[in-house]
Amino acid sequence: EVQLVESGGGLVQPGGSLRLSCAASGFTFSSYGMNWVRQAPGKGLEWVSYIRSTSGPIYYADSVKGRFTISRDNAKNSLYLQMNSLRVEDTAVYYCARDRVPTGDSVGFDIWGQGTMVTVSS
Amino acid sequence: NFMLTQPHSVSESPGKTVTISCTGSSGSIASNYVQWYQQRPGSAPTIVIYEDNQRPSGVPDRFSGSIDSSSNSASLTISGLKTEDEADYYCQSYDSSNHVVFGGGTQLTVL
Repeated sequence: EVQLVESGGGLVQPGGSLRLSCAASGFTFSSYGMNWVRQAPGKGLEWVSYIRSTSGPIYYADSVKGRFTISRDNAKNSLYLQMNSLRVEDTAVYYCARDRVPTGDSVGFDIWGQGTMVTVSS
Repeated sequence: NFMLTQPHSVSESPGKTVTISCTGSSGSIASNYVQWYQQRPGSAPTIVIYEDNQRPSGVPDRFSGSIDSSSNSASLTISGLKTEDEADYYCQSYDSSNHVVFGGGTQLTVL
């Protein structure tokens, strides 16, 4: 079964750090671009970051650029999001999502994890 | 910055047809493919339309997508509405920097 499972969420104080992980299974992880998408409580979806399958461009939303770092370990079938200098407005459910096609073409996300909640509060 | 605008909410009766719009703020919405996602309460989103008008396997043919270049908008149409279609729907595309852009989401009520 094709699956993505996020972990690492929790409660953190403003200014703190957290590292999210996304474990992939059931497909050739190294072939696909991967994304992080977040959703604040009661709000819509917000794309956070993208990393290509191997070497290549990494993109960030302006709201997290300079604070968040996306990475992957293809040998471990895992995607990561290192979040530093966290703000109250970063509070959200964080989803990892797979690009729909392995070619890198921009045609959406077909597999999503169940999400992990990050709460930034004092 | 490129933005996608959706109506906050729509409602329709079971068995009827509803259309949700997604309007691009600048440039041509036809420049990049538009996808649509369904999100039921407490669940992750699932893709229902990709590449403007293609349905993934398993998505009923009651769901269809289209692009109208004259209004710079995309549309998701759901026919033969069922109560199970009640959910939030998001359009998604890309800006000129290849960054992902989501619409604000539309809450569909089937009553």
